[in-house]
Amino acid sequence: AQSVAQPEDQVNVAEGNPLTVKCTYSVSGNPYLFWYVQYPNRGLQFLLKYITGDNLVKGSYGFEAEFNKSQTSFHLKKPSALVSDSALYFCAVRDPRSGNTGKLIFGQGTTLQVKP
Amino acid sequence: NAGVTQTPKFRILKIGQSMTLQCTQDMNHNYMYWYRQDPGMGLKLIYYSVGAGITDKGEVPNGYNVSRSTTEDFPLRLELAAPSQTSVYFCASSYGLDSYEQYFGPGTRLTVT
Repeated sequence: AQSVAQPEDQVNVAEGNPLTVKCTYSVSGNPYLFWYVQYPNRGLQFLLKYITGDNLVKGSYGFEAEFNKSQTSFHLKKPSALVSDSALYFCAVRDPRSGNTGKLIFGQGTTLQVKP
Repeated sequence: NAGVTQTPKFRILKIGQSMTLQCTQDMNHNYMYWYRQDPGMGLKLIYYSVGAGITDKGEVPNGYNVSRSTTEDFPLRLELAAPSQTSVYFCASSYGLDSYEQYFGPGTRLTVT
């Protein structure tokens, strides 16, 4: 079955430390992968995507993500966390069964808490 | 660009009432989507559209209807509201054609009592 897993409900990190939010996927074919961030009472904001090319993808607000085909992972990273990074993060993958509909499969979300 | 806009922001409905959630995008995106977000459950796709005049069911379509008469608008209709439809509803759009990142509206928080 096509799926996305975010194995951690919550990640806690101190401000200034590096952060990682994990995502693994299971889809047939080449994956199109995405990260989104949701601040309280707001819609989801697109952070970055991987479609092809370099395994390290850079996105908004200093975030980056590393695509690892052998481990079927797409972890979100940031070298130095800010308190303002505290939010809910979603990993998503394009559903390859959906043809050209652009449908995405979303993970359950990981709450990132950055403490001062 | 306003992006994706949704109205209303909040609404309380009584059981059995109906309402329409409005969604408009000004990015000339072909693809549009409706999701609901329940606490701890991620996002579930209700309906989607790949262009004006074309709509299709997502994962949880029961109790909802959509139409897409223009590229810009994609309203979601709730008929006979039930408490199980209490949720936050998000509309999203994407360009498609290998550019599948979706852009989301601010959401509508709906309570059915």
